[in-house]
Amino acid sequence: QKEVEQDPGPLSVPEGAIVSLNCTYSNSAFQYFMWYRQYSRKGPELLMYTYSSGNKEDGRFTAQVDKSSKYISLFIRDSQPSDSATYLCAMTGGGADGLTFGKGTHLIIQP
Amino acid sequence: GAVVSQHPSWVICKSGTSVKIECRSLDFQATTMFWYRQFPKQSLMLMATSNEGSKATYEQGVEKDKFLINHASLTLSTLTVTSAHPEDSSFYICSARDRHRGDADTQYFGPGTRLTVL
Repeated sequence: QKEVEQDPGPLSVPEGAIVSLNCTYSNSAFQYFMWYRQYSRKGPELLMYTYSSGNKEDGRFTAQVDKSSKYISLFIRDSQPSDSATYLCAMTGGGADGLTFGKGTHLIIQP
Repeated sequence: GAVVSQHPSWVICKSGTSVKIECRSLDFQATTMFWYRQFPKQSLMLMATSNEGSKATYEQGVEKDKFLINHASLTLSTLTVTSAHPEDSSFYICSARDRHRGDADTQYFGPGTRLTVL
């Protein structure tokens, strides 16, 4: 079993829909959770950063972390065609650790 | 803020040659920089962790003599792929951690370097 599981998609939804992306993980040492957006042939761009369990909202984006279930989610409201990209979840135990990434979900927002 | 650059953005080289990739934090000091590799349609895989002024720590399965990392200053880390072979062709991405930010575990990524070895 991989440390972080993420459905690669593609996930195709109509413009304006609410998008739900999620990851599951197995390592209980993970404390910090991030969501990155990556366009083709570009570096990842940080979208959301969350420490431990709970919700965090930033504009149209909401990140949720449920450590008891080892499950994290990213919700995108009022989705736009420009949101079409690959969304990567990432996590770390902190300190000097690098990030462990999910495989990424390819999201397509249809105009 | 929190901008990370990489140079070059792409490189094509012959098998057996060495290639150096630079990673710079432009507007902050990075105590720690990380190097990742990403194959097509795959996720980012951590290769090594680089701390300023000390030797890099490599992940299991990554050859330290093949992937030389130097972190000479708080704003610059370099990755040298020595004696490159076609199987080394990949997208190499660095990230940097801002030592002065409260969310110190946040990593900011460079735009990546696409290496093609012929």
